[in-house]
Parts: sequence; C-alpha cells; structure tokens
Amino acid sequence: SQQGEEDPQALSIQEGENATMNCSYKTSINNLQWYRQNSGRGLVHLILIRSNEREKHSGRLRVTLDTSKKSSSLLITASRAADTASYFCATDEAGYSTLTFGKGTMLLVSP
Amino acid sequence: DVKVTQSSRYLVKRTGEKVFLECVQDMDHENMFWYRQDPGLGLRLIYFSYDVKMKEKGDIPEGYSVSREKKERFSLILESASTNQTSMYLCASIRRLADYNEQFFGPGTRLTVL
Repeated sequence: SQQGEEDPQALSIQEGENATMNCSYKTSINNLQWYRQNSGRGLVHLILIRSNEREKHSGRLRVTLDTSKKSSSLLITASRAADTASYFCATDEAGYSTLTFGKGTMLLVSP
Repeated sequence: DVKVTQSSRYLVKRTGEKVFLECVQDMDHENMFWYRQDPGLGLRLIYFSYDVKMKEKGDIPEGYSVSREKKERFSLILESASTNQTSMYLCASIRRLADYNEQFFGPGTRLTVL
C-alpha cells in the first residue's frame, strides 16, 4: 500500500514557537487527515483537508494541501508543552476502504 | 463519543502461546482494523473487516488471524506467538461520512513475547 512520509522524523522546539510538519504521498487522494498520538496511546483525529481544499484552520492548527506536489503541511502555532506527541498524516485514497498512515513526526515542546 | 476499547493495555506472553487481543467499539461501525506499530515503521495494517464474518488481509497478515462474530467486536489472534510479534497493537473503527472516513483508535495493547 502507498504510504505518506512525514518530515522531519523528530522536531524539538520551545514553548511559544511554531511547529511545522510536512507530509508527502504518492497517489491521488480524496482527502488527507492528521492524527496525534500521545506517548503509549491510540491515535486521535485532529483535522481533515479535502482534495479540493488548499488550507484549513482549527484553533491553533493550520493545514495546507498541495495536490500538484502531493504534499501537506501541519502548522501548530504558539506551541505548548502539552502538544508534545507524535503526529501522523493519513491519506484516504479513491477506491480504498482503509486509510494509509505515514511513519509520523515526533514533536517535543520544552517549557 | 465513540469508544474503542481494547481488552488489555499490557500483555506478556511466552513464545508459542496462543494470544487473543480483543477490541470492542460502541458506535455500530461496520469497518474495524488491527494495526501494529513499531519504531521507525509507523502503523502497519494487519487485517481489517468490513462486516460481520468478513475479513481482509492488510499489509502484514502473516502469523495473525482475526475473528468478527459480532459487529462490535473484532479479535486479533496470534496462533503461536513469536518474539518478533512484540509490538504495540492498535485497533480502530471507521465512521463513514458522505465524503470521508474518520478512524477512531483504541488505547493500544503493548504485547511482549518472551
């Protein structure tokens, strides 16, 4: 199956700074979703962007999608220590009944 | 709120044992999934089920089987556990909306095979 690739693999920032994570994928998609995983827990859905959308906001989250480059970015503004987690992109491909997850970006926000 | 629960958070088994991992969801979702998560490899799909008694192989089904006797319950079975099956196992179900799917995950089971 196709898999999204997040970049960077790990990111370490200070509280108050912005965190940007990128995701690249290989095939045509219906939509792309971002999930968050706190250490040792399951994944939680954060935000979805459809293939005909270019940008979406939810609170401190901003997601962009460039279908011509097959890439997406997740921006977390004014980060907090509680944002420390792994973040995964997942692609929803036409004709598939499953989501395909990337390997994740591990974000560490220091107080 | 959708709830996906898994029978154990931590499990320690011996090589050769038969292992059952149970997953239950309470929102009448038709599709359920089992993943394993390993450092550097991300989430890999083992099996999924789109209806009672129906199952489909994912990317890494070898060494595993599944059972879906009731809509709300999806079990992952390790017929003869091996050390390379030490991993975090995540169950999920999907809510299908008009134009997208949203996955809901359980808290995970960390399995250690000695």
